[in-house]
Amino acid sequence: ETGVTQTPRHLVMGMTNKKSLKCEQHLGHNAMYWYKQSAKKPLELMFVYSLEERVENNSVPSRFSPECPNSSHLFLHLHTLQPEDSALYLCASSQGIAGGPSQETQYFGPGTRLLVL
Amino acid sequence: DQQVKQNSPSLSVQEGRISILNCDYTNSMFDYFLWYKKYPAEGPTFLISISSIKDKNEDGRFTVFLNKSAKHLSLHIVPSQPGDSAVYFCAASEGATGAGSYQLTFGKGTKLSVIP
Repeated sequence: ETGVTQTPRHLVMGMTNKKSLKCEQHLGHNAMYWYKQSAKKPLELMFVYSLEERVENNSVPSRFSPECPNSSHLFLHLHTLQPEDSALYLCASSQGIAGGPSQETQYFGPGTRLLVL
Repeated sequence: DQQVKQNSPSLSVQEGRISILNCDYTNSMFDYFLWYKKYPAEGPTFLISISSIKDKNEDGRFTVFLNKSAKHLSLHIVPSQPGDSAVYFCAASEGATGAGSYQLTFGKGTKLSVIP
């Protein structure tokens, strides 16, 4: 499935840097998601956008700032991160309002492997 | 408190045999269940799903079974192939949470190794 792309694939940043992760979906979906995957832990949902409106923010620290300029693009702006923020950051999208359970299926991008030094 | 549990971190199966991956959940509001497959350095790939109104869904070599009374689902892969070696995640949804978006709750995953 190449419908969701993420850039960069790898990122190394210092604690004082500012960087952004980009996600783009080519599936015509209405909802987009950011997840964090740390070692030995389940995927943790960070943010949910539906029709470009943020509908969920799962107690994520303010050093992570999402942006959804349109239904195809999602950004995660990073600043003053901590070493424990090193993880795989995954973007996903789902169909949204369309009727039927299949709209709940989320399709993932390849992820950005982030290392904070 | 983990609402979706995959109690086996790993599973080894001989090529050609059946692989059975298990998943238990605690939230009775979950109404849609999915299995994802993940290779190293890639994002999870959707494999198969099942709605709570069904107890079985089949797609080629993959079958998912749902036992609502036991709050248990399983993924069967028959026959298993070396290319099936990956981490398998179980996920569950309790329906729309906001303007058509859905939150999935994931298990920790089971690493399947298919031995040639």
